[in-house]
Amino acid sequence: DGGITQSPKYLFRKEGQNVTLSCEQNLNHDAMYWYRQDPGQGLRLIYYSQIVNDFQKGDIAEGYSVSREKKESFPLTVTSAQKNPTAFYLCASSMGRAGGNTQYFGPGTRLTVL
Amino acid sequence: DQQVKQNSPSLSVQEGRISILNCDYTNSMFDYFLWYKKYPAEGPTFLISISSIKDKNEDGRFTVFLNKSAKHLSLHIVPSQPGDSAVYFCAASGVYSGGGADGLTFGKGTHLIIQP
Repeated sequence: DGGITQSPKYLFRKEGQNVTLSCEQNLNHDAMYWYRQDPGQGLRLIYYSQIVNDFQKGDIAEGYSVSREKKESFPLTVTSAQKNPTAFYLCASSMGRAGGNTQYFGPGTRLTVL
Repeated sequence: DQQVKQNSPSLSVQEGRISILNCDYTNSMFDYFLWYKKYPAEGPTFLISISSIKDKNEDGRFTVFLNKSAKHLSLHIVPSQPGDSAVYFCAASGVYSGGGADGLTFGKGTHLIIQP
């Protein structure tokens, strides 16, 4: 049963702490992405990776970091430098341009900073 | 500067009728367009897409129309069903960095409400 998993579903963090959000896919997709959604807004791109050991900044990368050591995994770290970290975080994957760049999303992680 | 715009925050349609959701874009580099359906606190679900070399793509009750000269696309749902009530996002992708799999640019969404 192929898909994208994100954990945890809900995450609470104290101000000033770093936190890492997990994203795993077993679709054998080359490309993976992180977006955030704020209330009443569309999704905004944080980081993306087209291939293992390579990643690029998206539109709102400040205060975030990523790694892509394995094809299946693309964890996102929200650092204390991120000014407004409370949001709904979504991970996606795609076959890349060869597949038309159709992206498939995980269920999301709701991060709340206390 | 919003490159993908969905100007209707909400739309109410009677069950059985046609729902038409609209989307405008400004960046002529976009060459692939997608529609996603989203429920609260869940990830978006892919519905249908269209390449810029086409002007129509159909999949069951869903049809997407693309008017490149007007930089406009629309999603038609016929007939509308209660389960179609959700937020619909328009998204676009373009060839920016050597043909790689870049991120999508999303509109802010339209909340579709199907009334019985």
